[in-house]
Amino acid sequence: EAQVTQNPRYLITVTGKKLTVTCSQNMNHEYMSWYRQDPGLGLRQIYYSMNVEVTDKGDVPEGYKVSRKEKRNFPLILESPSPNQTSLYFCASSFVSARGVNEQFFGPGTRLTVL
Amino acid sequence: KNEVEQSPQNLTAQEGEFITINCSYSVGISALHWLQQHPGGGIVSLFMLSSGKKKHGRLIATINIQEKHSSLHITASHPRDSAVYICAETSGSRLTFGEGTQLTVNP
Repeated sequence: EAQVTQNPRYLITVTGKKLTVTCSQNMNHEYMSWYRQDPGLGLRQIYYSMNVEVTDKGDVPEGYKVSRKEKRNFPLILESPSPNQTSLYFCASSFVSARGVNEQFFGPGTRLTVL
Repeated sequence: KNEVEQSPQNLTAQEGEFITINCSYSVGISALHWLQQHPGGGIVSLFMLSSGKKKHGRLIATINIQEKHSSLHITASHPRDSAVYICAETSGSRLTFGEGTQLTVNP
């Protein structure tokens, strides 16, 4: 079954404790991206990757790191989480065409609370 | 900075009504996406379009490139259509989202 998986689905942590949210897709998609969703602000792009070893900043990259060592995985790293990173996080993937990003497949979301 | 605006923010309809959600964007784009977010939080892609019109079942999406405007129409709405509908524009590899339209369809 074609899918994007994220782990963990729920996480409560404390300020400053490094954490990683994993994202994996089984569709051989070139493009992967991380978004956060906050009430009143909607979805905002954090980082994206056009292919292995190619990553770039989105609109809200501060406080986050990513890596793309393999095509299927795109982990999101919070080296020193702060309460303003409490949010609902989505990973997504898609093929890339001449027009750019195609229809995206979204993971189920990770609800992160930083105390 | 690209801006994407949706209207209305909230929409309540009776089952069977024809529904329209609008999306305006500010700069030239590669494509326009329509997404549906279920009450449980999951997001699915409904359409990606760069010109004209697309139809899938009771859903129709249109885009007018000159006017920088897209619409999502739902015909014969049903309570199971209740969700948040989000448009997003892409300029190559980056996406900018509207805030979403909360649709509630009452039986």
